[in-house]
Amino acid sequence: GQNIDQPTEMTATEGAIVQINCTYQTSGFNGLFWYQQHAGEAPTFLSYNVLDGLEEKGRFSSFLSRSKGYSYLLLKELQMKDSASYLCAFSSGGYNKLIFGAGTRLAVHP
Amino acid sequence: DTEVTQTPKHLVMGMTNKKSLKCEQHMGHRAMYWYKQKAKKPPELMFVYSYEKLSINESVPSRFSPECPNSSLLNLHLHALQPEDSALYLCASSQDRQGRQPQHFGDGTRLSIL
Repeated sequence: GQNIDQPTEMTATEGAIVQINCTYQTSGFNGLFWYQQHAGEAPTFLSYNVLDGLEEKGRFSSFLSRSKGYSYLLLKELQMKDSASYLCAFSSGGYNKLIFGAGTRLAVHP
Repeated sequence: DTEVTQTPKHLVMGMTNKKSLKCEQHMGHRAMYWYKQKAKKPPELMFVYSYEKLSINESVPSRFSPECPNSSLLNLHLHALQPEDSALYLCASSQDRQGRQPQHFGDGTRLSIL
């Protein structure tokens, strides 16, 4: 079967670093994607991994281990505007079907 | 600013109405998607179009009818919807249907069924 899991809520302090973990199980895997979604808005693409290792994009980095079915999103120099839900999703099958996790609500406080 | 444009942003309709949601992208993407998202839930895939052909229908009720007139446009025709169909409807596109390229989402249409 297919499933994906991430923590429901996290809190962090402005200026700090936070790591959001994601574990998944699937028989067919194309890639792992991270999206940010503010309340009432559409998801915004942040980062993705096709191969194992770390991908860095400014303040955001994402890591993938395919053998462990594990990914994380690292957010550095947290800002108040980073308070949002972070969605982990993997692509499976021949038509880029995205399977989303339930999302992690991150609250950044001063 | 998103490069996937959806109209309208908000739509209120009765259960007997017929309306259409529209999505447009000019990134040259050849795969386009419709998702439905309920409050505090992740997006759920409804349809996938690849090279203007319907590739995936996730057992969506026939009161939702997708259409892809050309490679830049994707429509979702709505008829005889139910109150439980109230949700945020998201359009997305990707370079192609291979799962190694990210999908980019539009701002969505917030649909309310009276």
